[in-house]
Amino acid sequence: GIQVEQSPPDLILQEGANSTLRCNFSDSVNNLQWFHQNPWGQLINLFYIPSGTKQNGRLSATTVATERYSLLYISSSQTTDSGVYFCAVTATGNTPLVFGKGTRLSVIA
Amino acid sequence: DADVTQTPRNRITKTGKRIMLECSQTKGHDRMYWYRQDPGLGLRLIYYSFDVKDINKGEISDGYSVSRQAQAKFSLSLESAIPNQTALYFCATSDPTGSWTQYFGPGTRLLVL
Repeated sequence: GIQVEQSPPDLILQEGANSTLRCNFSDSVNNLQWFHQNPWGQLINLFYIPSGTKQNGRLSATTVATERYSLLYISSSQTTDSGVYFCAVTATGNTPLVFGKGTRLSVIA
Repeated sequence: DADVTQTPRNRITKTGKRIMLECSQTKGHDRMYWYRQDPGLGLRLIYYSFDVKDINKGEISDGYSVSRQAQAKFSLSLESAIPNQTALYFCATSDPTGSWTQYFGPGTRLLVL
């Protein structure tokens, strides 16, 4: 099945810094989503982005489907950005998402 | 009110006991999922259901069973709990539009002694 690798596994930032999280996948996909899990465990969908670029406030994401990777950018990071960021993909509409192991982000004031 | 709810939120049980985790949703989605999360392993799929009459095994279904009682309800059972089933369990639904955006419940923390 499709493999998903996220990097880096852990990241520590000073408040106000920018960061880039990467998601590599092993096969063509028709669905890619980014999620944030806050320190209390809640999982929130950030982006549906099988290709192209989207922005939502300080967060943006770019997927280059032909090269099989996606990037999540966080600008001017805040302590509330802390948590784990997951990338998830699927190759078809009739198979469930496959999740990467996540990137744990800690933003320090 | 939350769109996807899970009960209980926390549960402690003993080895060998049967337990049920329940999930309800008010989003009107046909597709529902059960995942477990272990530290460092991300989210792994246990079972999924694309409609009331459809049940499919996921990556790690051994030791678990599910019941889809209605479009809005999807329950996960551990027939005979064992300590390595200690984990955080999530229920999710997905949007039937083209994006299949996934929405998660708040999770159930399960400890098997």
